[in-house]
Amino acid sequence: DGGITQSPKYLFRKEGQNVTLSCEQNLNHDAMYWYRQDPGQGLRLIYYSQIVNDFQKGDIAEGYSVSREKKESFPLTVTSAQKNPTAFYLCASSIAGRSNQPQHFGDGTRLSIL
Amino acid sequence: QKEVEQNSGPLSVPEGAIASLNCTYSDRGSQSFFWYRQYSGKSPELIMSIYSNGDKEDGRFTAQLNKASQYVSLLIRDSQPSDSATYLCAVNMRRRGYQKVTFGTGTKLQVIP
Repeated sequence: DGGITQSPKYLFRKEGQNVTLSCEQNLNHDAMYWYRQDPGQGLRLIYYSQIVNDFQKGDIAEGYSVSREKKESFPLTVTSAQKNPTAFYLCASSIAGRSNQPQHFGDGTRLSIL
Repeated sequence: QKEVEQNSGPLSVPEGAIASLNCTYSDRGSQSFFWYRQYSGKSPELIMSIYSNGDKEDGRFTAQLNKASQYVSLLIRDSQPSDSATYLCAVNMRRRGYQKVTFGTGTKLQVIP
């Protein structure tokens, strides 16, 4: 089945530690996205990528980094500079360049501070 | 003004009733509109897309779009307890050659048995 796989499902970060969240898709989508969701709030865009080897900052990129070395993979690193990382992180993908195509989401990773 | 606005709710309706969820958006140039359902602790799931003015029906769900009023709504007929979730409105706007999807904060729906 085609879909988006995020791992791990739960992740704990120690003080001063960088952690990486994995996102893999087999939908052959060009565009991929990372969102953060805090309790009772909507989705806020962290980073997005329209094509391999290219990515752009979203609305809340500070303290995060990404790479897009392969079409199917878009890992997110939460760095120690992100002082409030506890949130639900969602990866999404879509067909790039077409406004009528919706985004599809993975199951998410829940990150907490130890 | 928020780019996409939704009433946070909760919206409580009895089982079998029609639930009406509303969303307004600020960008007149928006072309694509989506409704997602998100159960507590889960990721959003696409339930409806709408691109033209008017109504679009899919089973118990009807999406309504009025671009002149910058308003999109979702009607759920014969509401079931399993419809209890948060419903996110998403609007696709074109920004610097990139398709930016902006999400509302969601409306929590409670269907009372």
